[in-house]
Amino acid sequence: ETGVTQTPRHLVMGMTNKKSLKCEQHLGHNAMYWYKQSAKKPLELMFVYSLEERVENNSVPSRFSPECPNSSHLFLHLHTLQPEDSALYLCASSQDYGTDTQYFGPGTRLTVL
Amino acid sequence: KQEVTQIPAALSVPEGENLVLNCSFTDSAIYNLQWFRQDPGKGLTSLLLIQSSQREQTSGRLNASLDKSSGRSTLYIAASQPGDSATYLCAVRSSGYSTLTFGKGTMLLVSP
Repeated sequence: ETGVTQTPRHLVMGMTNKKSLKCEQHLGHNAMYWYKQSAKKPLELMFVYSLEERVENNSVPSRFSPECPNSSHLFLHLHTLQPEDSALYLCASSQDYGTDTQYFGPGTRLTVL
Repeated sequence: KQEVTQIPAALSVPEGENLVLNCSFTDSAIYNLQWFRQDPGKGLTSLLLIQSSQREQTSGRLNASLDKSSGRSTLYIAASQPGDSATYLCAVRSSGYSTLTFGKGTMLLVSP
């Protein structure tokens, strides 16, 4: 147990659906991250929040919309996804942005039909 | 742009063997390097973190080395056990306030 939880663990959605992924960290960290892990590709950073402000957005399509209402919670809102968006979405946190070890949640396995 | 390569992509060994996983990176100007473990369908667990000024780090049966000038790191696992079966990921931080660049990982299977 790393202190980072993600819900749901599994999600199946159609291309016209709207859903949200949730991440919560119980570590008192200031930075939170969303990663995408597709089969046979390196882990890809999507978004970084530091002290509730977005500090990185790595050319992610607008059908992915992050939200960080406070330093403990991070959401990823999904709409009109494509089948190629099917992947494991991992959330992580670190004490501060860019300088410390990141602690990862278990991930949400997303399947887009 | 930093690129991280891990060789081999997959490795299968009998229990008890000592083994080495390799990681190479293209830009030697790194801040630190981490080795992670990922069990199937789960998140990552940090195993070892080596700062750019260090040559190696040890934790139990694991030893990670870093040769910054040649752009290489190795993860040595002694006396492997079936519980070591997982994917091992190498990740590099290129500067103090940048994010991590990951390799694709090495999938390790240790058979009883």
